[in-house]
Amino acid sequence: GQSLEQPSEVTAVEGAIVQINCTYQTSGFYGLSWYQQHDGGAPTFLSYNALDGLEETGRFSSFLSRSDSYGYLLLQELQMKDSASYFCAVRDYGGATNKLIFGTGTLLAVQP
Amino acid sequence: DVKVTQSSRYLVKRTGEKVFLECVQDMDHENMFWYRQDPGLGLRLIYFSYDVKMKEKGDIPEGYSVSREKKERFSLILESASTNQTSMYLCASRRGPKETQYFGPGTRLLVL
Repeated sequence: GQSLEQPSEVTAVEGAIVQINCTYQTSGFYGLSWYQQHDGGAPTFLSYNALDGLEETGRFSSFLSRSDSYGYLLLQELQMKDSASYFCAVRDYGGATNKLIFGTGTLLAVQP
Repeated sequence: DVKVTQSSRYLVKRTGEKVFLECVQDMDHENMFWYRQDPGLGLRLIYFSYDVKMKEKGDIPEGYSVSREKKERFSLILESASTNQTSMYLCASRRGPKETQYFGPGTRLLVL
């Protein structure tokens, strides 16, 4: 089977740093994406890692280790507006018909 | 900006009814997707389409069908709605196999 494991909930305080981990077990792997979803809203794209290493976009960074089937999303200088669900997703195939396999999501609560 | 719109934000139907959920994207994207989102289960792929009149089954296609007669429109059909199809339905689109997916706002369907 195919699975992506994420913690179900994480709590942190404003200004802190939080890391959301994702381990995956899939038949194919062509990259790891992260999406953010606010309550009642649509998921929106945050970052994508196709190769090992760290990708940085402002306060958010994403890391991938393909040998460990592991990645994480790092959020720095947390703000209240970062309270949301975060999903990791694996692209399963390199061709035109590839699809994303999503994890079950991590609910991040940022407290004042 | 990419825009993905869904025909309804909220929908209430009765068991046995035929239900149509419409999704339209305005960016000439090749690929379109239908997911359902349930608490604790993340986003699960129902069907996707990588070209007009083409469709592929996702992970949970049972009880659903789809139609893609025009590039910009992808419809999800529940032939005979059942209570276990009560869920949030999310449509998404992307330009090519390595591109970002853009999601619509979702349709929250309640089947009584």
